[in-house]
Amino acid sequence: AQSVAQPEDQVNVAEGNPLTVKCTYSVSGNPYLFWYVQYPNRGLQFLLKYITGDNLVKGSYGFEAEFNKSQTSFHLKKPSALVSDSALYFCAVQRGNNFNKFYFGSGTKLNVKP
Amino acid sequence: DTAVSQTPKYLVTQMGNDKSIKCEQNLGHDTMYWYKQDSKKFLKIMFSYNNKELIINETVPNRFSPKSPDKAHLNLHINSLELGDSAVYFCASSQGTGQETQYFGPGTRLLVL
Repeated sequence: AQSVAQPEDQVNVAEGNPLTVKCTYSVSGNPYLFWYVQYPNRGLQFLLKYITGDNLVKGSYGFEAEFNKSQTSFHLKKPSALVSDSALYFCAVQRGNNFNKFYFGSGTKLNVKP
Repeated sequence: DTAVSQTPKYLVTQMGNDKSIKCEQNLGHDTMYWYKQDSKKFLKIMFSYNNKELIINETVPNRFSPKSPDKAHLNLHINSLELGDSAVYFCASSQGTGQETQYFGPGTRLLVL
């Protein structure tokens, strides 16, 4: 069965500090991994994805994520957090050729304090 | 221009009523989806259509019936609404059915009283 785990319900970080939002996955076959962000009362916005190639993926708003096959992880990172990064972050996995069926994690609320 | 739009944005209704939510995308995508986000923010796929054909139909009560009149539209009709149907419903679209990025609408907040 395909699944995604986001072990932290909430992450708190001070503005200017690096941030990490964790994601681990379980999928048969090659995984396609995505990060989305949801601001209050808004839809999900695409941040970045890993399909193949370089394990370090760069995305929107200065975010990046590293695909680690041995640890089955795809953690989201940013070197210097902004207050405006405060939002709900979702990791999603899709198994290749599975009609684009996304399995979403439970979400991690990121709080960046000034 | 809004890429994926949904109407209405808010929907408050009584138990037992029938309601519809509409979705339109102007991205030229072939595939569209409906997701349900519950009160704990858990997001789960309900349906997906590719070129107007149903390709994903999760375990959803048959009170929920999607309809895709054309590739740019995917509507969701809900019969005999129940309290547990209260949630935020998101429409999304993607270019194809491979490893494609999905683009989400702003959501429809449904409250059943």
